[in-house]
Amino acid sequence: GAVVSQHPSWVICKSGTSVKIECRSLDFQATTMFWYRQFPKQSLMLMATSNEGSKATYEQGVEKDKFLINHASLTLSTLTVTSAHPEDSSFYICSARVGLAGELKTQYFGPGTRLLVL
Amino acid sequence: TQLLEQSPQFLSIQEGENLTVYCNSSSVFSSLQWYRQEPGEGPVLLVTVVTGGEVKKLKRLTFQFGDARKDSSLHITAAQPGDTGLYLCAGGVYNQGGKLIFGQGTELSVKP
Repeated sequence: GAVVSQHPSWVICKSGTSVKIECRSLDFQATTMFWYRQFPKQSLMLMATSNEGSKATYEQGVEKDKFLINHASLTLSTLTVTSAHPEDSSFYICSARVGLAGELKTQYFGPGTRLLVL
Repeated sequence: TQLLEQSPQFLSIQEGENLTVYCNSSSVFSSLQWYRQEPGEGPVLLVTVVTGGEVKKLKRLTFQFGDARKDSSLHITAAQPGDTGLYLCAGGVYNQGGKLIFGQGTELSVKP
């Protein structure tokens, strides 16, 4: 299956600093990647859709100036949490769509990044 | 707003028992995907169903997509401790660039 990686796998930072999380598709190209947030024992909440070469589409209630998304290449999307606060502490997961033209495209998920803001 | 109601949210059973997880919606989905997630890891795709009424089997797991493509179920036969995890259903939204709507998840615990 398609492999998606994330880096770092976990990060601890001080309140007020910015944190960048990378999402890479390792063996395929992805024009579309997605960023999710997950709280303990809860499901995934879609934050935004990242499109290569264009602006990300954010879900309602997600601050685009707070969560900056850059999809600069077909294999890399980054999520930057700016001026992080303790309430931003969460598990952040990315996914990438893969599939041949004319076929159903499937989302494959990265391993997630655990963010703890002190 | 499309919603996908998943039930039960928590399930604790003994090894060898059978169980069924349900996902229901009033909306029609282009596809329905089931994922399994272990703590501290990303979800892993189990199956994708696309056609109304479709049934897929993966060893002891049976997945069904409703005829109207609004609901789905996951049935596990003779559950094992290794089946423990968070099971997530996700519906594909039409004309939304591959966006998925996730159910609330089912936390399954299988005790030996």
